[in-house]
Amino acid sequence: GAGVSQSPSNKVTEKGKDVELRCDPISGHTALYWYRQSLGQGLEFLIYFQGNSAPDKSGLPSDRFSAERTGGSVSTLTIQRTQQEDSAVYLCASSLGGKGNQPQHFGDGTRLSIL
Amino acid sequence: GDSVTQMEGPVTLSEEAFLTINCTYTATGYPSLFWYVQYPGEGLQLLLKATKADDKGSNKGFEATYRKETTSFHLEKGSVQVSDSAVYFCALVGDYGGSQGNLIFGKGTKLSVKP
Repeated sequence: GAGVSQSPSNKVTEKGKDVELRCDPISGHTALYWYRQSLGQGLEFLIYFQGNSAPDKSGLPSDRFSAERTGGSVSTLTIQRTQQEDSAVYLCASSLGGKGNQPQHFGDGTRLSIL
Repeated sequence: GDSVTQMEGPVTLSEEAFLTINCTYTATGYPSLFWYVQYPGEGLQLLLKATKADDKGSNKGFEATYRKETTSFHLEKGSVQVSDSAVYFCALVGDYGGSQGNLIFGKGTKLSVKP
């Protein structure tokens, strides 16, 4: 497709379950970013990939969060043993490179609700 | 660390009114500055950007000038329309060596334009 695609668009799950969120970036974009948007915290950066590598994972909120990217394309964000504070909209963005002057293009997000 | 502060909303204006949304930043070096917009039910979209001091970004009648001396990037539009109703986010990408190119966002300002 022409834009960044995220799935699922909505996910409702019970506390303690694991969830996997998927991001398919724009073709040819080497940089990929995950953000989280919540009422209390606004828009927070989670993790960045250049190609398949994530040089710094310190933005992930806890060790229950992990992410990977394969083939320089699709990325998955996994949350294990979900907690209610994980409820948020998870956004993925991609850009041509990791430099600040390259605009980031966002997907529509996955709305995650933990019951 | 780097941060962005933008005026609290909500902002309610009548159609054809003048709009200013204030944004100031704290950052080392020369960050790149952005305004993103989120229309109701839609994803984040880049509205405009400026990558060096005194640059003016513009799009859809909106403008913002990168002011290094006041560390500001205020968003302006001369005559707003109902269709401009959205949440506006000011953001920066850091210029320092350890930057991952991630966006650092302000809290967002909700704009409602009444006919």
